[in-house]
Amino acid sequence: GAVVSQHPSRVICKSGTSVKIECRSLDFQATTMFWYRQFPKKSLMLMATSNEGSKATYEQGVEKDKFLINHASLTLSTLTVTSAHPEDSSFYICSARSITDTQYFGPGTRLTVL
Amino acid sequence: GENVEQHPSTLSVQEGDSAVIKCTYSDSASNYFPWYKQELGKGPQLIIDIRSNVGEKKDQRIAVTLNKTAKHFSLHITETQPEDSAVYFCAASKDTGFQKLVFGTGTRLLVSP
Repeated sequence: GAVVSQHPSRVICKSGTSVKIECRSLDFQATTMFWYRQFPKKSLMLMATSNEGSKATYEQGVEKDKFLINHASLTLSTLTVTSAHPEDSSFYICSARSITDTQYFGPGTRLTVL
Repeated sequence: GENVEQHPSTLSVQEGDSAVIKCTYSDSASNYFPWYKQELGKGPQLIIDIRSNVGEKKDQRIAVTLNKTAKHFSLHITETQPEDSAVYFCAASKDTGFQKLVFGTGTRLLVSP
């Protein structure tokens, strides 16, 4: 149980385009999901907290107009990187909070912007 | 806000040895402390967690200890195996609000056969 999926696992896009990443909790409902960014050999950096049916809460320094988050249902949250640039290339990971208040992480999405 | 420090940054052991990773936290209101294992190119996997109402928790070869007074907690892996090689992250959070996790900087564990 407690499986979180992400799609796609890898994406390569051209500079200036937008990319959408999906995060799904497969066998539990998650009122809260989190989006992280991870640079090579670094720790996880929280970008935003997503609550079902309400606006996401962004961490300081994260541009909400660039990283659009939608938590449409209790099992799905999406992160859209708008007008992507090479500096947005990174490993993006989501997590979902279960009813026991445990966070389960997805497998991550490797974004490369050319 | 909360700050979590983790040591060591790298740890090399021989197969069968024990490994210990230590973390300290700054916010005395933190009461939930999970440990995650991350393999290369994958997302973090929860391996064990502890809440502040207990001092120790075990799950087979893995144990976590918590010292609330000193504000530190440790991960203990016994009888290490090569497949234990990965990056381990500790984290801390409070059981209030959105429960944001604050992560340590990670420990790269290498278990040599």
